[in-house]
Amino acid sequence: GAVVSQHPSRVICKSGTSVKIECRSLDFQATTMFWYRQFPKQSLMLMATSNEGSKATYEQGVEKDKFLINHASLTLSTLTVTSAHPEDSSFYICSARSGIDTEAFFGQGTRLTVV
Amino acid sequence: AQSVTQPDIHITVSEGASLELRCNYSYGATPYLFWYVQSPGQGLQLLLKYFSGDTLVQGIKGFEAEFKRSQSSFNLRKPSVHWSDAAEYFCAVGGGYNKLIFGAGTRLAVHP
Repeated sequence: GAVVSQHPSRVICKSGTSVKIECRSLDFQATTMFWYRQFPKQSLMLMATSNEGSKATYEQGVEKDKFLINHASLTLSTLTVTSAHPEDSSFYICSARSGIDTEAFFGQGTRLTVV
Repeated sequence: AQSVTQPDIHITVSEGASLELRCNYSYGATPYLFWYVQSPGQGLQLLLKYFSGDTLVQGIKGFEAEFKRSQSSFNLRKPSVHWSDAAEYFCAVGGGYNKLIFGAGTRLAVHP
């Protein structure tokens, strides 16, 4: 399958700072990328869907000003957690696909800890 | 409402034993169904999917799943479990690959 790479895999930041997570499709062009959040021992919750060159579509209850998503190219999407707080600590996973009816491949996830 | 239910939060089996992980869904249209596996701290890997056709689908690592429309189920099976199968398993439903709705997951432990 295709490869999706997330960076960093782990990050610890201080409360009030911002942190950026990158999601890259290494061997295909990702027209759509998805960002999920996973709390410990829980399932994945879709946060937003981003199409290359367009504004992201956020799920209900997700603060777009807090979780900034940029999908400026066909191989890169970024999620920036602004003014992070301890409750933002979570496992963030991206997935990417090349077309509407194609499989979405998942990155390995980023463990964010806000102290 | 669209939802996925995985009734078993945690399952323990002995190595070599058979395995069945349950998944029930509620979806307004024809569902596309998926099973993913997640190892600790890792992303998800697709085990298998059902879009249409034969209701018994074969996946990677010796897994299979059967779609039963009348029961709104898509249970995952493996005839003989290996220690390396210990992981978290997620069932998901969607309209194609759009906006997948995931179940809460089943954590599988394998005893030697």
